Amino acid sequence: EVQLAESGGGLAKPGGSLRLSCVASGFTISDAWMSWVRQAPGKGLEWVGRIKSKTDGGTTDYAAPVKGRFIISRDDSKSTLYLQMNSLKTEDTGVYYCATADYGYDWGQGTLVTVSS
Amino acid sequence: QSALTQPASVSGSPGQSITISCTGTSSDVGGYNYVSWYQHHPGKAPKLLIYNVSNRPSGVSNRFSASKSGNTASLTISGLQAEDEADYYCSSHTTRNTWVFGGGTKLTVL
Repeated sequence: EVQLAESGGGLAKPGGSLRLSCVASGFTISDAWMSWVRQAPGKGLEWVGRIKSKTDGGTTDYAAPVKGRFIISRDDSKSTLYLQMNSLKTEDTGVYYCATADYGYDWGQGTLVTVSS
Repeated sequence: QSALTQPASVSGSPGQSITISCTGTSSDVGGYNYVSWYQHHPGKAPKLLIYNVSNRPSGVSNRFSASKSGNTASLTISGLQAEDEADYYCSSHTTRNTWVFGGGTKLTVL
């Protein structure tokens, strides 16, 4: 059974940084493209970005609102996906989900990020 | 990249069928056969219902079906059940090699 467990959420100040982790189990993460999706309070789902498998180049793509501020990386030896969030803005507040594939095949339960002064 | 357009809400009675539309452009929905649909009960993980326009992952009920015509994709839920009450989202691959979601549709089972 595929399981994804996000962690690292919490309170951060505008302009600050936070790193989210997503530990995967039940499948070979090194073969998988992985993505991050978020949901602001009372709003819909928003695609954040994706990292390809190393076999497919390990490249990343990001949504315009986070490009240049967020970095997705992976440590396949630890079955872990990361989301480094820098220069945080209040509008980055929300629940962050990791998911398999670039469109979200399996999903984690999410971790809450609050950006507030 | 603007969000795909979905109706804010739809409703139906148990046993009925409903259809949710998802309208984009030739740069996303119309340009690729990479449209997905998700069911999201608030507070829970989203669940993939459909991928690649009309494919169901294993374990997803065949009451859920989907199609695409031009720049508009559609999700149909037949034989509505109380547990279908949730938020539904579409998403599509885009020319920028990113994905874009729809604004979401709240389904109420009367």
